Amino acid sequence: DTAVSQTPKYLVTQMGNDKSIKCEQNLGHDTMYWYKQDSKKFLKIMFSYNNKELIINETVPNRFSPKSPDKAHLNLHINSLELGDSAVYFCASSPSGLAGIVILNEQFFGPGTRLTVL
Amino acid sequence: DQQVKQNSPSLSVQEGRISILNCDYTNSMFDYFLWYKKYPAEGPTFLISISSIKDKNEDGRFTVFLNKSAKHLSLHIVPSQPGDSAVYFCAASAGTASKLTFGTGTRLQVTL
Repeated sequence: DTAVSQTPKYLVTQMGNDKSIKCEQNLGHDTMYWYKQDSKKFLKIMFSYNNKELIINETVPNRFSPKSPDKAHLNLHINSLELGDSAVYFCASSPSGLAGIVILNEQFFGPGTRLTVL
Repeated sequence: DQQVKQNSPSLSVQEGRISILNCDYTNSMFDYFLWYKKYPAEGPTFLISISSIKDKNEDGRFTVFLNKSAKHLSLHIVPSQPGDSAVYFCAASAGTASKLTFGTGTRLQVTL
């Protein structure tokens, strides 16, 4: 009964490759996120989608492209991987409040995907 | 620009004693604060939150204190238990419908 799941858990790849990380939530939430935790342990938001629409897009290279086929899934595709992309990537989701107002604070996180670029 | 800071990377406390984890912020627009707990190989899990209209929120063994004038909050765990050993992240947002800004975390070790 995993609430927020990510695949794969570990990903090791060469520089220049293209890779995808998948995220699924079974909580019925309307909003999903991608976070990056780098080597300094900063946990920073990258993107947020609400009902398949992009609502937060931080300063992230356009090599990163999120895709939300439906509100239960938010995948992250990364083109031309670089050494600096090595990090743990967390997916998260949160419910909407009354009148569809997004409550971004009550976020439920997936277990993370550790990406290593060689 | 680190708007949320946790200056203690680690803390060791004996079982049964109080654990106090600290967090400072610089953005005066932040008005909602949260603590997340993270075990190895798992994602962060929500622990407790506080709105800026309060200065204290309690949930069982966990209490969060907010000092707005000092832009400081703290998490108290009493009594500490070995299962509390984890990394604790402080997070803040400007309004409930806003992105979360996280600190770098404090690793708590509760010893027997």
